[in-house]
Amino acid sequence: QQQVKQSPQSLIVQKGGISIINCAYENTAFDYFPWYQQFPGKGPALLIAIRPDVSEKKEGRFTISFNKSAKQFSLHIMDSQPGDSATYFCAASKQTGANNLFFGTGTRLTVIP
Amino acid sequence: GAGVSQSPSNKVTEKGKDVELRCDPISGHTALYWYRQSLGQGLEFLIYFQGNSAPDKSGLPSDRFSAERTGGSVSTLTIQRTQQEDSAVYLCASSLAGGLDQPQHFGDGTRLSIL
Repeated sequence: QQQVKQSPQSLIVQKGGISIINCAYENTAFDYFPWYQQFPGKGPALLIAIRPDVSEKKEGRFTISFNKSAKQFSLHIMDSQPGDSATYFCAASKQTGANNLFFGTGTRLTVIP
Repeated sequence: GAGVSQSPSNKVTEKGKDVELRCDPISGHTALYWYRQSLGQGLEFLIYFQGNSAPDKSGLPSDRFSAERTGGSVSTLTIQRTQQEDSAVYLCASSLAGGLDQPQHFGDGTRLSIL
């Protein structure tokens, strides 16, 4: 059973556009929501993370929006660049009492110059 | 500084053989995780080590999978009697301490192909 559902599977965006990736979860005990970025042949790298006490977190061009009542969160990449082309994974977990992150299935983003 | 190092980067073996995958975490990181990434799938948790505590093996898919962490540092993931469905990228991550709000630093993985 997929604990975290991610969409779309793939996304093509023009340079300068906004990339939006969505995730949904069922377990209301989840209280930590990171996003990872993975380039081909490399391991994932933490991009940005949010806790449910805030509805939005912004770091540079990357913003996480969090909707606790809907159990959804999304990643927005503003002014998308070709260098942002990668696979993005959302994840969720409980900060305490758990030892693992539950990952979404990933979104392959391609930014066209 | 050095990141998480995994070896080998690629491994091709015949069905039924045993394989060992190695992970060198970042120095000083007490928490170590193994994940499996199958084609088109997210990362699947396998096992977690934290300091000298008993490992959390709840993600291991079968008793053919085992892992050790010697001296609180290097870890080895062993798959016995490999099957074709074991083909995947095996990723290791370490973090400064336990607790999932600590960023996990991933290695580049071992791509395992079972013929």
